[in-house]
Order: sequence, then C-alpha cells, then structure tokens
Amino acid sequence: SYVLTQPPSVSVAPGQTARITCGGNNIESRNVHWYQQKPGQAPVLVVYDDSDRPSGIPERFSGSNSGNTATLTISRVEAGDEADYYCQVWDSSGDVVFGGGTKLTVL
Amino acid sequence: QVTLKESGPALVKPTQTLTLTCIFSGVSLSTTGMRVTWVRQPPGKALEWLARIDWDDDKFYSTSLKTRLTISKDTSKNQVVLTMTNMDPVDTATYYCARIGSITTAFDIWGQGTMVTVSS
Repeated sequence: SYVLTQPPSVSVAPGQTARITCGGNNIESRNVHWYQQKPGQAPVLVVYDDSDRPSGIPERFSGSNSGNTATLTISRVEAGDEADYYCQVWDSSGDVVFGGGTKLTVL
Repeated sequence: QVTLKESGPALVKPTQTLTLTCIFSGVSLSTTGMRVTWVRQPPGKALEWLARIDWDDDKFYSTSLKTRLTISKDTSKNQVVLTMTNMDPVDTATYYCARIGSITTAFDIWGQGTMVTVSS
C-alpha cells in the first residue's frame, strides 16, 4: 500500500515561514490535500489538489507538489497556526492514505 | 451551510458491534456527486480512513478493515450509518464523518467527531 511520510515536528518563529513536507513515491502524480487539526477539534481542509485553497483559508497557506515530495508552506506564521498538519492522497486501489502528521510549534 | 454531526455510543464492549450515524443538514445525500466518508483517530495518533459512500450508493472500504465495516445511507433521513463489527480496545478512537468535495477528492467539511471507547 502507498505510504506518506511526514516529519513528526516542525518548529518556527512567529513571522517566519514554515514548510511541512509529505513524501511518497512519485507523489507528483497524485492530488495531495492538507488538513490542519488543532487540539480537541476536527480537521480542517487548508489546501486541496496540491495548491488550491478553500474559501476562508488565508493566502499565507500554500502548497506544491513535485517529484516525491509535496510541501505545505505557511508564510508569516502566527501563534494560531500551531496545530497538527496531515497530508492525504487516494491510492490506486481506491484507499485513502493519510500521512503520520506533523506537529507545528510556533516558538 | 452544510453541517455534519456524528452520533453513537461512547462506550462499547469488546466483540460488540459499533453503529455510528452521521446526520447531514444543508445538502441532500441524493444530490448527484454527493460523497460521504468516515475517518477515525485513536488518541494521540494519526487519521485513518474507514469507508465512503456515494450518492448512487457505490461503497468503498479500507482494505485493512473491509471485513468488519458496512456503510449505508438513508436518504429520507439524510443520514449515513457506519457499522464496525467485533470491536477491540485498539478501535478506541474519535470517529469523524466528512463530505468529499464536489470538485475535488478532498474532505472539505467535517463533523465534530464522536469519541468511542472500547472497554469491558
């Protein structure tokens, strides 16, 4: 089955740029979606189809996908961005695959 | 405004069958292109996909759990039901239902989740 690999944690100072990676074999051939989950809350979609943003998501959130790595970039990081972030794809068998999640800490 | 809300027992015993309900408002389950999915999350762990049902009653299951899962819908009540048999303590998790977007395969709207503990 398809595997998505995320770093367990990323730390960044306020105002800086956070980059969260999601690795998978030839992931560029798949549409990657990203979710933000704050403690005790349901996940929220922040980027879909590699780089599109749902309505209401700040432009500070962006995504890219190339080769074996997809990346969620959060510019001008704020304290409120502190959360767990998950990447997700559909694999060829029809299963949905999530990455293991990355905890973003704002220093 | 589309909203989803999960309901079900907070506690089930090992070997029992879990039945969860996801109630929709703001959109009909019979709308062409409507797709609903279930995802779970054990405490402190990652998200895990379980199953999906489409407006035309097509059903899809996690390869690893498909022998234990059944998903169905009641369009008249605008609800989706997930059953999981032979519950085990490792199935302790928060269970979420979500809508799959109409122009994307992403899960664009989620319910608040319902916590299920499996314990004797």
